[in-house]
Amino acid sequence: AQSVTQPDIHITVSEGASLELRCNYSYGATPYLFWYVQSPGQGLQLLLKYFSGDTLVQGIKGFEAEFKRSQSSFNLRKPSVHWSDAAEYFCALSAGTASKLTFGTGTRLQVTL
Amino acid sequence: EAGVAQSPRYKIIEKRQSVAFWCNPISGHATLYWYQQILGQGPKLLIQFQNNGVVDDSQLPKDRFSAERLKGVDSTLKIQPAKLEDSAVYLCASSFLRGRTYEQYFGPGTRLTVT
Repeated sequence: AQSVTQPDIHITVSEGASLELRCNYSYGATPYLFWYVQSPGQGLQLLLKYFSGDTLVQGIKGFEAEFKRSQSSFNLRKPSVHWSDAAEYFCALSAGTASKLTFGTGTRLQVTL
Repeated sequence: EAGVAQSPRYKIIEKRQSVAFWCNPISGHATLYWYQQILGQGPKLLIQFQNNGVVDDSQLPKDRFSAERLKGVDSTLKIQPAKLEDSAVYLCASSFLRGRTYEQYFGPGTRLTVT
């Protein structure tokens, strides 16, 4: 069975500070990994994805994530957070290219000014 | 390019009533998904269609939930009868192949409250 764990339910950072959101996965092979962001009342927007190759992937809005096979992790990072980044962030994995997504429980990011 | 459309955006019903949600995927996207997102949780797949055929409905409570995708385009998800625990946001997504992977695009969701 596949699963995704996001250990942090809620994180607060100051605007301009760096950000790291944690994601750990459980899967028997190399999964396809994704980070989505969900603003209140909005659908999920894809930030970035990893399926092979370079373990550091760049996404939209200045986000990046690093795949670490030895730690079964896919942490999301941003060097300088903006107030507009406040939202819920979901890590997800897929077993194949068109397979369903298995989501973590999400991390709510609050940005203080 | 238009995104995934869903309606209604909000619905309040009493338990034991029935309800239906509609989804129009992005044009040309063959794969369509329905997810259920309960408050405080990540979305969970209910059913996946490839064109008008079901690929995965293992998590769909078939005694009360049904879904169809006629002509491989629009889809409807129905709940009959609804229970209190069905209160959730129902997300529709569609996907297409970009490079070597499929990307899922999500609609805004339908927030269902069962009282």
